[in-house]
Amino acid sequence: DTEVTQTPKHLVMGMTNKKSLKCEQHMGHRAMYWYKQKAKKPPELMFVYSYEKLSINESVPSRFSPECPNSSLLNLHLHALQPEDSALYLCASSQLGQGFTYEQYFGPGTRLTVT
Amino acid sequence: AQKVTQAQTEISVVEKEDVTLDCVYETRDTTYYLFWYKQPPSGELVFLIRRNSFDEQNEISGRYSWNFQKSTSSFNFTITASQVVDSAVYFCALSDTGRRALTFGSGTRLQVQP
Repeated sequence: DTEVTQTPKHLVMGMTNKKSLKCEQHMGHRAMYWYKQKAKKPPELMFVYSYEKLSINESVPSRFSPECPNSSLLNLHLHALQPEDSALYLCASSQLGQGFTYEQYFGPGTRLTVT
Repeated sequence: AQKVTQAQTEISVVEKEDVTLDCVYETRDTTYYLFWYKQPPSGELVFLIRRNSFDEQNEISGRYSWNFQKSTSSFNFTITASQVVDSAVYFCALSDTGRRALTFGSGTRLQVQP
């Protein structure tokens, strides 16, 4: 089973709302990722969690707050977003190995619209 | 810094034609990994292949084949006898063994006409 699930599929929120995106995988992967993808652009890395600890934050604004409650779950908490944050948010997971990079498996994404 | 260049923004072919998607990369690492992903209109990125920097063997999987050449820093992807279902955006990506973060190329949109 190489499935990563994301909820919700679509989200419309106002600039003063607080919402959360959820991601789940049951492949036993110990690395999880959040990417942001604008239309007609490649995905851009936002955060990486390794063994449930935040290992990379690509200078993402604090209105995006990631959380990894356990090895299968990854959340992205959203607060006071701007219209330019409207995008497809992709979650991914991969195995971890010393000196080795495994492929990442992606979820279907959450299409976020900020009004 | 790592960089991936996919110079072909969009390619249109007729079904059953062969098509090659180009990927050129830059990295100072001696150990690195290259990937191809497919993104159909539904939006989900689908993993196609991983290749490490020490393995220059070409690979074939059904109608798909990949040509990795370290001498020219290229990792090209060929679809033989293309089908309408191959229509998608294809991304080439590069990763090191440290950060493990993917650096994506800008993508090539492939349209296969019936």
